[in-house]
Amino acid sequence: GESVGLHLPTLSVQEGDNSIINCAYSNSASDYFIWYKQESGKGPQFIIDIRSNMDKRQGQRVTVLLNKTVKHLSLQIAATQPGDSAVYFCAETRGGNQFYFGTGTSLTVIP
Amino acid sequence: EAQVTQNPRYLITVTGKKLTVTCSQNMNHEYMSWYRQDPGLGLRQIYYSMNVEVTDKGDVPEGYKVSRKEKRNFPLILESPSPNQTSLYFCASRDSGGAPDTQYFGPGTRLTVL
Repeated sequence: GESVGLHLPTLSVQEGDNSIINCAYSNSASDYFIWYKQESGKGPQFIIDIRSNMDKRQGQRVTVLLNKTVKHLSLQIAATQPGDSAVYFCAETRGGNQFYFGTGTSLTVIP
Repeated sequence: EAQVTQNPRYLITVTGKKLTVTCSQNMNHEYMSWYRQDPGLGLRQIYYSMNVEVTDKGDVPEGYKVSRKEKRNFPLILESPSPNQTSLYFCASRDSGGAPDTQYFGPGTRLTVL
């Protein structure tokens, strides 16, 4: 099966600091990557995505970086807020039908 | 309100007793999918459907069945549940013609098989 992993299972940051969550993938044929946020008791929620022909994509307070050379994906959250506390998953898909998720990083924001 | 709904939200059952978890979406999405979420393993795809009467296996289809008779519904069927199917299940849908890979997830169904 596909291997989509995360470097750290937990991350704690001070409110207002920037957060960086990392993800490694194993298949160089992957062409699309997505970050999801999952709050306690809820289903995953889309945050941002990036195609394999891009290196960087920015959203509102979030940036995704893709390094295809080392098969690495990261999510940067600017000015982290308490409402950002959640589990973050990276996922990959090839063609948009089959999806492979990482194991998740739990982000805790310290007020 | 655009949403994916699942029922039941919680279910405790016994080994071998057939059960169905329903999933419904009101966004007219072609694509629907089922996942299970287990600690330390993240989400793993069970089955997906690209449209009515079109279904395909995901990463972990063993022990599960699905059907897609209507566009809005995608039930997950466990013919003979076993304890290793105790998990948190999520249904998801997306619009095949729009933003390609934005899936909307349901609230989850927590299943315990004794």
